[in-house]
Amino acid sequence: GAGVSQSPSNKVTEKGKDVELRCDPISGHTALYWYRQSLGQGLEFLIYFQGNSAPDKSGLPSDRFSAERTGGSVSTLTIQRTQQEDSAVYLCASSLSPARANYGYTFGSGTRLTVV
Amino acid sequence: DAKTTQPPSMDCAEGRAANLPCNHSTISGNEYVYWYRQIHSQGPQYIIHGLKNNETNEMASLIITEDRKSSTLILPHATLRDTAVYYCIVRMSGNTGKLIFGQGTTLQVKP
Repeated sequence: GAGVSQSPSNKVTEKGKDVELRCDPISGHTALYWYRQSLGQGLEFLIYFQGNSAPDKSGLPSDRFSAERTGGSVSTLTIQRTQQEDSAVYLCASSLSPARANYGYTFGSGTRLTVV
Repeated sequence: DAKTTQPPSMDCAEGRAANLPCNHSTISGNEYVYWYRQIHSQGPQYIIHGLKNNETNEMASLIITEDRKSSTLILPHATLRDTAVYYCIVRMSGNTGKLIFGQGTTLQVKP
């Protein structure tokens, strides 16, 4: 597609349940990033994928969070045993090779996760 | 990556130029300056970037001081739709590519 697609756009889940959030990056973009944004806060980096390299997981807040990227394209962010503090907008972005700083990111519209 | 400092908020009259400052006094020679904006309830949008020369595109102009320790994003004729949070970020070419967003400047364009 023309842009980064995220699904679902909204997700309400009960505390303790697992959720999966999906990101379809722009075709040909080798780099994929996950961020989250809590209400009224800035963007918090979570994880980064680049090609077949090991992902940079340095931003994941706990071991309840994991992500994978299959076939170098679609990515899924999984949150296990959700807590209320996980409520946020989860944003995915993709870019061409990040080794060249003159490539910007394209963000999706995000998934708004509400844990009740 | 170098840290940036931006004012938390600014106002601008519709139709006037909006000048958004950013300090990046610890920037190194191979770090680029990026600007993104986030309109309410949307994902961030790339605006412009530069290394040391001033840059202009259809959205904005970027003025970088000669010592590269600060920059200014200029929206030449602000409209109500330019109301957003504007993020100034520096990033080094060749690194992992992740952008670290600060708190940004909330620009309110007023009629």
